[in-house]
Amino acid sequence: DAGITQSPRYKITETGRQVTLMCHQTWSHSYMFWYRQDLGHGLRLIYYSAAADITDKGEVPDGYVVSRSKTENFPLTLESATRSQTSVYFCASKRRRGRELFFGEGSRLTVL
Amino acid sequence: TQLLEQSPQFLSIQEGENLTVYCNSSSVFSSLQWYRQEPGEGPVLLVTVVTGGEVKKLKRLTFQFGDARKDSSLHITAAQPGDTGLYLCAGVAGANNLFFGTGTRLTVIP
Repeated sequence: DAGITQSPRYKITETGRQVTLMCHQTWSHSYMFWYRQDLGHGLRLIYYSAAADITDKGEVPDGYVVSRSKTENFPLTLESATRSQTSVYFCASKRRRGRELFFGEGSRLTVL
Repeated sequence: TQLLEQSPQFLSIQEGENLTVYCNSSSVFSSLQWYRQEPGEGPVLLVTVVTGGEVKKLKRLTFQFGDARKDSSLHITAAQPGDTGLYLCAGVAGANNLFFGTGTRLTVIP
């Protein structure tokens, strides 16, 4: 009963490098989301996806790329990491008609 | 961006005390959710309130949605150390638009 899993849990990288955070869910939920959590800002939506091959921007999409070729996976890529992207990233999923978000345990990214 | 402000930002109380956390916005939401997050984990849903003026109880936790559906409160009676965590409100403004508040970090001291 894995639910929703994120990897890696911790990542340290350098400015300018490409980083991909993985998210996998076993519930076949239609919707998947990527949030970043920063002190004083709460959770801010980066991108979301309503179904495979359907993605849309959230509040803070700049510098991020997502894809969703399969319903269960929703990777988030930082094409050229910057220090301002140091954060804790949370993936979440939701049933099509549900209200509740189910979150992963988070990926802590540090960009040096 | 629909801003949701929570107060207080930090709260440290003794076991057995009561407390109230507030979530305020100038925007109207179709519903409002409260999540609790523990260190190293993702947020977990506590409750969803839908109707203006609605009150929901979850054991020692009481949630209220404002009449105008712009604000909400969370009241905890006789707080216990297990209540320690980050409490997040989230306003729902459409099928996929969930806006999170800035959070209230609660510490209950035994």
